[in-house]
Amino acid sequence: KQEVTQIPAALSVPEGENLVLNCSFTDSAIYNLQWFRQDPGKGLTSLLLIQSSQREQTSGRLNASLDKSSGRSTLYIAASQPGDSATYLCAVSPYNTDKLIFGTGTRLQVFP
Amino acid sequence: GAVVSQHPSRVICKSGTSVKIECRSLDFQATTMFWYRQFPKKSLMLMATSNEGSKATYEQGVEKDKFLINHASLTLSTLTVTSAHPEDSSFYICSALRASYGYTFGSGTRLTVV
Repeated sequence: KQEVTQIPAALSVPEGENLVLNCSFTDSAIYNLQWFRQDPGKGLTSLLLIQSSQREQTSGRLNASLDKSSGRSTLYIAASQPGDSATYLCAVSPYNTDKLIFGTGTRLQVFP
Repeated sequence: GAVVSQHPSRVICKSGTSVKIECRSLDFQATTMFWYRQFPKKSLMLMATSNEGSKATYEQGVEKDKFLINHASLTLSTLTVTSAHPEDSSFYICSALRASYGYTFGSGTRLTVV
C-alpha cells in the first residue's frame, strides 16, 4: 500500500529564507508526482507536476525534484514571502490507476 | 487553463436532510472526476472515483448509499450526502483529471450539519 509522508509537518520562518519541503513515498511505481498548495478553507492549486521520467520541474521561485528510485521529492522555495504561507501537499499517482495518493502536508508560515 | 467549479462553497443543513454538491469542468471534458473529504488540519482522503456514464468506484470504508455520486456528463459530477448527520460535517473537494495536465481541483465545499 502506497504511503506518502511529508516532513516537516509545520514550518515557521522569517521572510527571505530559502526553504526545502520533503516528500517521501513507499512505492516507487508511480506515474507522476504533483505538488499542490492549499490556502485555509480553499481548494488545491497545482504548483508543479513531475512525470516519472523527469528529475525536476521549475516554476518561478519554486523548484521540485524527484528521485523515484529512492522514493523522494523535494520542493524548494527560494526567497520566501508572507504570501507563500499555506499548506503544501505532495501527491503521487501510482501506475495503472488514476488515483492520487496525498501526503500528510506541510503547513508553512512565513512572517515579515 | 483548466478550471473546475465546485458549488456551493458553503452549506449548512439540518440533520436528516440531503445535500447535493456539484463539480463542473468549465473548459475541458473530464471522463474521470474524484471526490475527497478533508478533516481539519488533515490531508485529503479519496472517497470515490466518478466515471462518466458508469457507476462510481468507492474507496474501502466509504458508504455508497450515504454518498451518492452521479457523473451524468463529461463536464459534471455530483455528490449527494443523503440523510446527513453531524459526523458528515467536513470539507469536500472534487477534482478532474485531464490527460497530460494532471489534476485540477475545485475550491471545495464546507458542509456543516446541525
